[in-house]
Amino acid sequence: QSALTQPASVSGSPGQSITISCTGTSSDVGSYNLVSWYQKHPGKAPKVMIYEDSKRPSGVSNRFSGSRSGNTAFLTIFGLQAEDEADYYCCSYVATGTWPFGGGTKLTVL
Amino acid sequence: VQLVESGGGVVQPGTSLRLSCVASGFSFSGYGMHWVRQGPGKGLEWLTVIWYDGSKTYYIDSVRGRFTISRDNSKNTLYLHINSLRAEDTAVYYCARFVGGDPSGYFDYWGQGTLVTVSS
Repeated sequence: QSALTQPASVSGSPGQSITISCTGTSSDVGSYNLVSWYQKHPGKAPKVMIYEDSKRPSGVSNRFSGSRSGNTAFLTIFGLQAEDEADYYCCSYVATGTWPFGGGTKLTVL
Repeated sequence: VQLVESGGGVVQPGTSLRLSCVASGFSFSGYGMHWVRQGPGKGLEWLTVIWYDGSKTYYIDSVRGRFTISRDNSKNTLYLHINSLRAEDTAVYYCARFVGGDPSGYFDYWGQGTLVTVSS
């Protein structure tokens, strides 16, 4: 099954912007506009931030933005805030009917 | 919308376990449901999905044959049967509702998770 690759960690100062990548293959990320991104704080359930590559659910701050180029999807967070510090996971549909997650990226707000 | 998992605990290797996820606040029979787990210090791992009517199921390769997802729409309940438990199955298990079409969509609601610890 596919493995989505994310950087283990990223960091930024308050007010800055950061981008997290999620690299898959032509069988998952590259084939469908179906990458979603989830924010997870320790001890809490995951929360969707972006779906279908670039759509933002109601209630999610417009500081969060998603995009895709070929087999790589991106999550960009503008105007970093302390509460953005969390783990972020990408997830993509695969033609086998499965929905693997990336390995996760730990965001540190300096 | 609320999803409440139960059934976790400390179990011995080689035994079986059934996790439950009781749904409320929405029409359970209209949604696909998934199980996702997170081992200690590890990332999220998608495990399995069952369609809204139970007609289709899919599994990650590493658990196929040992995990079984099922649902009882009359009881608004999702299940995960786990056989031959291993130490590496130690994790918090989440149920999640999937909203959208086939296959578009995302996980919009999650339970609080139930902890399974496999230890002798």
